[in-house]
Amino acid sequence: DGGITQSPKYLFRKEGQNVTLSCEQNLNHDAMYWYRQDPGQGLRLIYYSQIVNDFQKGDIAEGYSVSREKKESFPLTVTSAQKNPTAFYLCASSSPNRSGQPQHFGDGTRLSIL
Amino acid sequence: KNEVEQSPQNLTAQEGEFITINCSYSVGISALHWLQQHPGGGIVSLFMLSSGKKKHGRLIATINIQEKHSSLHITASHPRDSAVYICAAETSGSRLTFGEGTQLTVNP
Repeated sequence: DGGITQSPKYLFRKEGQNVTLSCEQNLNHDAMYWYRQDPGQGLRLIYYSQIVNDFQKGDIAEGYSVSREKKESFPLTVTSAQKNPTAFYLCASSSPNRSGQPQHFGDGTRLSIL
Repeated sequence: KNEVEQSPQNLTAQEGEFITINCSYSVGISALHWLQQHPGGGIVSLFMLSSGKKKHGRLIATINIQEKHSSLHITASHPRDSAVYICAAETSGSRLTFGEGTQLTVNP
């Protein structure tokens, strides 16, 4: 079945450590997105990519980095510069050039600081 | 003030009740999305609409573009409908701006 796979489901980070969250899709979608969700807040956009080898900062990009070397993959690195990384991270994809197509979401990765 | 506001934040209902969740937005949109998030965290898209009304099973979504308001209705609610329901406004470049979500609990 087509879908989005995020891994790992749970991730623990030590202070000062970079960690990378994986997001893979087999939906042949051009656009991919990373969101952060905190308790009591709506999802906020971290980074998005509308095409391979191109990506743009979202509303809360500081302390994060991404790459888009393949259409299927959009990994997110949470760097040590992100001072409050504990959150639930969701990856999504869409085909913006096809009208009426919603975003598809992965099951998320929950990141905690040790 | 958030660009997308949902109400209520929390809603508890008895099985069988008719439920309404409201969403107001202040930005220009190309579409309005309703999403469902279950306790495990995964999100499913329920509706994407830009005008009028859509229906899928017991779920109905409506939008009034002039009033910048959308509603999600659940008829004959069931405990399995318990989840967080999220409204999101799609703006330029397919970016979504999300409401804070409505936690729905349906008791048997």
